[in-house]
Amino acid sequence: DAGVTQSPTHLIKTRGQHVTLRCSPISGHKSVSWYQQVLGQGPQFIFQYYEKEERGRGNFPDRFSARQFPNYSSELNVNALLLGDSALYLCASSTDRGTEAFFGQGTRLTVV
Amino acid sequence: KQEVTQIPAALSVPEGENLVLNCSFTDSAIYNLQWFRQDPGKGLTSLLLIQSSQREQTSGRLNASLDKSSGRSTLYIAASQPGDSATYLCAVAPYNNNDMRFGAGTRLTVKP
Repeated sequence: DAGVTQSPTHLIKTRGQHVTLRCSPISGHKSVSWYQQVLGQGPQFIFQYYEKEERGRGNFPDRFSARQFPNYSSELNVNALLLGDSALYLCASSTDRGTEAFFGQGTRLTVV
Repeated sequence: KQEVTQIPAALSVPEGENLVLNCSFTDSAIYNLQWFRQDPGKGLTSLLLIQSSQREQTSGRLNASLDKSSGRSTLYIAASQPGDSATYLCAVAPYNNNDMRFGAGTRLTVKP
C-alpha cells in the first residue's frame, strides 16, 4: 500500500515567485496536515484539512494557503516567496483528526 | 502555548548500549504523543503513538512511556545498533487535532 506521496521532491525558486506543493494521502485517510521544517529545528504546523475543510492554521502569513480536493489530496501554495521560506515542507495524513500521523518524504524548497 | 523540549540535543553511544531519550511538554492537556525518526534530508517515520489515557507503548526494541501529569515522555531503545542512527523527534497533539507541536529532536549516533 502506498504511503504519503509528495511532489516535487526538490524545487528551486526565485524570490517573489509562487510555488505549489502537492500531497497524496494514504488511501482512506481524510485528514491532511502541512508542516515546515527549517534546518536544525522540529517541524512547524502550517495547516490541517479534514474532509476538505480547513480545521487548523498555524502562525504563518497569508502568503501561505492550502486546499484539499474531493479525493483528499492537497496542495500548499506559497506566494511572493522569501529567502526565509527555504525549508523542507512535509505533508502528513491520518484517518481522522488526532489519530496516528504518517508523513511523506517532503519537498525541499530552496528560494534564491 | 505548548512548548516541547528534547534532551539531550545529541547523543553518541557504542553499539549494544541501552539508551533513553527524553521529551518534556509544558501543557498536560494533550490528546496523544507520537515519537518519530528522521534520517537526514528525509521525511518522518512514525515509531510509536501513545494516547493520553495510556502509560506506555512498545514496538520491538522500542518502548515509549508517558507521564502526562508531569509533562514527560521517554523513548527507550534497547541494544542499540548503527542503523538506529537518526534524529528522534517527539510531538504532542492537542485534543482531537493534528496540530502537533514538535521538539527540536535528539540526534543519535550509534558507533559500531
